Amino acid sequence: GAVVSQHPSWVICKSGTSVKIECRSLDFQATTMFWYRQFPKQSLMLMATSNEGSKATYEQGVEKDKFLINHASLTLSTLTVTSAHPEDSSFYICSAQFAAGLSYNEQFFGPGTRLTVL
Amino acid sequence: DQQVKQNSPSLSVQEGRISILNCDYTNSMFDYFLWYKKYPAEGPTFLISISSIKDKNEDGRFTVFLNKSAKHLSLHIVPSQPGDSAVYFCAAFRAGNMLTFGGGTRLMVKP
Repeated sequence: GAVVSQHPSWVICKSGTSVKIECRSLDFQATTMFWYRQFPKQSLMLMATSNEGSKATYEQGVEKDKFLINHASLTLSTLTVTSAHPEDSSFYICSAQFAAGLSYNEQFFGPGTRLTVL
Repeated sequence: DQQVKQNSPSLSVQEGRISILNCDYTNSMFDYFLWYKKYPAEGPTFLISISSIKDKNEDGRFTVFLNKSAKHLSLHIVPSQPGDSAVYFCAAFRAGNMLTFGGGTRLMVKP
């Protein structure tokens, strides 16, 4: 199956710093990547949809100035949590979808990044 | 507004028996459903899917049933194995690419 990687897998930072998380599709091109957030014992919540070469589309309630998303190439999307605070501590997961294909092909998920803000 | 719900947060089953995980949805615009399996600190992995034009899809030990009139789907695992112990999420597609997830059900298969 298609492989999606995330880096770093775990990051601890002080409050007020910015953290960048990378999402890469390793063996396929993805025009669309998605960023999800999961709180403990809760479901995955879609944060934003990222299309290569264009601005990300954010879900209602997600601050686009807080969570900066860049999709510079067909294999890389980045999520930057700016001025992180303890309430931003969460598990962030990206997914990627084939550049061309079926309407409902599965999204392939990365392993996730655990962010802890002190 | 939680459009996809998994009302059972956990389920415990004996090895070899059937596991039945349930999922309900409210949005009639959903037309494609998926089940994902997730281990702690890992991303979800795709398990099985079903289109709204079908009522059943089977893949090995996994079968998904869809009841559109009841807006209900279920995942059956037969026979259950200890390695199936994980959190299972159902998800539904809306507006083409948008996946909406249920809250998950933690399955524990006892040897």
